Amino acid sequence: KAGVTQTPRYLIKTRGQQVTLSCSPISGHRSVSWYQQTPGQGLQFLFEYFSETQRNKGNFPGRFSGRQFSNSRSEMNVSTLELGDSALYLCASSFSRTEETQYFGPGTRLLVL
Amino acid sequence: DAKTTQPPSMDCAEGRAANLPCNHSTISGNEYVYWYRQIHSQGPQYIIHGLKNNETNEMASLIITEDRKSSTLILPHATLRDTAVYYCIVPKAGNMLTFGGGTRLMVKP
Repeated sequence: KAGVTQTPRYLIKTRGQQVTLSCSPISGHRSVSWYQQTPGQGLQFLFEYFSETQRNKGNFPGRFSGRQFSNSRSEMNVSTLELGDSALYLCASSFSRTEETQYFGPGTRLLVL
Repeated sequence: DAKTTQPPSMDCAEGRAANLPCNHSTISGNEYVYWYRQIHSQGPQYIIHGLKNNETNEMASLIITEDRKSSTLILPHATLRDTAVYYCIVPKAGNMLTFGGGTRLMVKP
């Protein structure tokens, strides 16, 4: 079974731009969660989507948003990029909301200049 | 999530067992203990989880104390490829994992 895939793997943007990251979960998985990892803050939960609805949200500003499609694929968007948004963005999928074992993708490394 | 405490770093000789401890004294009766690891610049990898009994899979063993306030992840024969940051997590329902600092395991030849 194919794992979680994320595109693109690397991205360079400038301040003020917006960016969209994509995540395809493991086939059959319906829950998708997003995390941000920075050297200073470590791994932090952004949000979780299940059945096309946001179920949980971490402590991030409204510039961070996401959505999930009917095939469970998910996108996250960051608007008005700031230097501090430079990070590794990780997507994880699980079969359901009660299945707590999450499987992570390789991440998208975003650099904001 | 129930708060977990792990040593920031550990060393282990290649071929020896690596024993990584975790304290989770505020864990509730129905909460599981999960272990993930993250090899440099990759996404975290699920290792093992357990509730009360000891668990073993092809990657590791998990020993949970009888009072459930602590656990130990055991890598029976550590290799250089096991060098990673290991995270002990007690998740709430709803797939929101809270990662602490983890333990940076260095396996040395």
